[in-house]
Amino acid sequence: DARVTQTPRHKVTEMGQEVTMRCQPILGHNTVFWYRQTMMQGLELLAYFRNRAPLDDSGMPKDRFSAEMPDATLATLKIQPSEPRDSAVYFCASGHQGYNQPQHFGDGTRLSIL
Amino acid sequence: GQQLNQSPQSMFIQEGEDVSMNCTSSSIFNTWLWYKQDPGEGPVLLIALYKAGELTSNGRLTAQFGITRKDSFLNISASIPSDVGIYFCAGQGIFGSEKLVFGKGTKLTVNP
Repeated sequence: DARVTQTPRHKVTEMGQEVTMRCQPILGHNTVFWYRQTMMQGLELLAYFRNRAPLDDSGMPKDRFSAEMPDATLATLKIQPSEPRDSAVYFCASGHQGYNQPQHFGDGTRLSIL
Repeated sequence: GQQLNQSPQSMFIQEGEDVSMNCTSSSIFNTWLWYKQDPGEGPVLLIALYKAGELTSNGRLTAQFGITRKDSFLNISASIPSDVGIYFCAGQGIFGSEKLVFGKGTKLTVNP
């Protein structure tokens, strides 16, 4: 079965460092989503793209977070500088365009900022 | 912001028992989705519901899209140990948006 691939699976780094998380969406999916999961807040949408163009990043702290899609097979989420409160599991999901198209999730990047 | 109220937060049941969990919202949705998440993995889609009143099954799982479009439930019949995990409801499609709004999850424990 086709899957969304995320790397790295785990990342531990010190506060202030730059963090880059990568996502390979399922081939043919033109919509990519970034979510953050924490115990307190649950799953929250950070940003999403269609055909590589950002559609909504209202859930993302703009001062330190940035999301891009350099090409159709790669989406990146960067945090610079990282802070301890950024510690969470970050998920990428992809799907076809349309509100009735289900989103398929990767296995996430577990980020710990010390 | 939009919120989904998912209940119960956790359930402890014996193998073979049936399970029921639900989600309610103050807003209407065009689509209701149910996901399951195992430890260390991402949510996996179980059932998608696209019409108010729709009742859909996937093996031992049955889900319904409420008539008011503000609620949904998921039932699991004859639970087995591998049903253990966290189940999430999600609503999609307010005002045509593709954004998913998630419930906080129901953690299911099945005792053999």
